[in-house]
Amino acid sequence: DAGITQSPRHKVTETGTPVTLRCHQTENHRYMYWYRQDPGHGLRLIHYSYGVKDTDKGEVSDGYSVSRSKTEDFLLTLESATSSQTSVYFCAIGGGGISYNEQFFGPGTRLTVL
Amino acid sequence: AQSVTQLGSHVSVSEGALVLLRCNYSSSVPPYLFWYVQYPNQGLQLLLKYTSAATLVKGINGFEAEFKKSETSFHLTKPSAHMSDAAEYFCAVSDRQAGTALIFGKGTTLSVSS
Repeated sequence: DAGITQSPRHKVTETGTPVTLRCHQTENHRYMYWYRQDPGHGLRLIHYSYGVKDTDKGEVSDGYSVSRSKTEDFLLTLESATSSQTSVYFCAIGGGGISYNEQFFGPGTRLTVL
Repeated sequence: AQSVTQLGSHVSVSEGALVLLRCNYSSSVPPYLFWYVQYPNQGLQLLLKYTSAATLVKGINGFEAEFKKSETSFHLTKPSAHMSDAAEYFCAVSDRQAGTALIFGKGTTLSVSS
């Protein structure tokens, strides 16, 4: 998976609790992305980062925040989880220079909000 | 705004038959185009990408795709399906600005029967 890990891989939580998902890369890529995957919707962009402390919103950012204090780590936080945030979350890296915006994906985190 | 349409959420073929997965895109400028494959409970793996070097792009596992600007299409084909090709396939597009996130189609599930 091109040196990308996600933690935890599975999580079950209750509505209203905060949740933080971690993406860690060893490839020193500048760009990092968080997507969510839901049946019938494909993957949709939540937030992305174009450098340390530089982040921006994606298509479905409501209810999510992100932080990137180091090149290798990109955190996704659900401040107060809701059942609609039950999904599979994928982190991706890449997207610049000679890669023609090709992205490499982590193994995913399956989040269930009860 | 860019968008991707994958025609057919589910395609079924027999082993040895031609695989054809359809993808049409909408973009005001020539984009980068990608096909990814996802096996059950795994992340996404890049099959191939179009960057304008050649309109016929060959990828891994015997897949190829042809970029047709006049039809705004980037259909994925494989001459002879194998059981191991059963998976979900995603078409994605990005513009040419470095770091731009991918926009995904909703996916096509390929089933292969013996």
